[in-house]
Amino acid sequence: QVQLVQSGAEVKKPGSSVKVSCKASGDTFSSYDLNWVRQAPGQGLEWMGGIIPIFRTADYSQKFQGRVTISADESTSTAYMELRSLRSEDTAVYYCARGPPGNSAYLDYWGQGTLVTVSS
Amino acid sequence: EIVLTQSPATLSLSPGERATLSCRASQSVSSYLAWYQQKPGQAPRLLIYDASNRATGIPARFSGSGSGTDFTLTISSLEPEDFAVYYCQQRSNWPPMWTFGQGTKVEIK
Repeated sequence: QVQLVQSGAEVKKPGSSVKVSCKASGDTFSSYDLNWVRQAPGQGLEWMGGIIPIFRTADYSQKFQGRVTISADESTSTAYMELRSLRSEDTAVYYCARGPPGNSAYLDYWGQGTLVTVSS
Repeated sequence: EIVLTQSPATLSLSPGERATLSCRASQSVSSYLAWYQQKPGQAPRLLIYDASNRATGIPARFSGSGSGTDFTLTISSLEPEDFAVYYCQQRSNWPPMWTFGQGTKVEIK
């Protein structure tokens, strides 16, 4: 059974950065398609980017390009999402979610979510 | 960029009734369309993938259909636990992007 466990809630000042982790277990981490999706309060789901650890390169939504870095550490089966230059509009729950290996088009396992609050 | 438009925004139904949710893509996504259910305070849960395949553990009352640009999620007989928000989603290979619809809320009438 695949499990994705995310780091805890964060409170950040505008202009700072946040790094959220997502630790995977139960399957071959290297071949996951590990994605980050966020949800602002009362809003829908928004894809930020993703990485397949074995390929080491990430894809990003144009909206977040230049402000987000997604990485993965195969030795610890952990993925990371760092968002910089935080503003109040970045207040949201951030989810990691897995696409199964093989260029799949769906996300079958999700982390529990990490609330990031940006406030002065 | 492919845009997914869900309708209606809200569906007010009673337990036991049939729910029909629509998702329309701005261009063809073949059969690469997924549906998720989200309850308050919870992560989304995969219901349907590749337009019509139920995910592991999903009850048979949930079914998906469609291809190209028009897709439907049907809940044949609503159970109390089915009242939630439902999202459709697609993936593009170029540019690499995952897109979600804006969601349909199924509420108790």
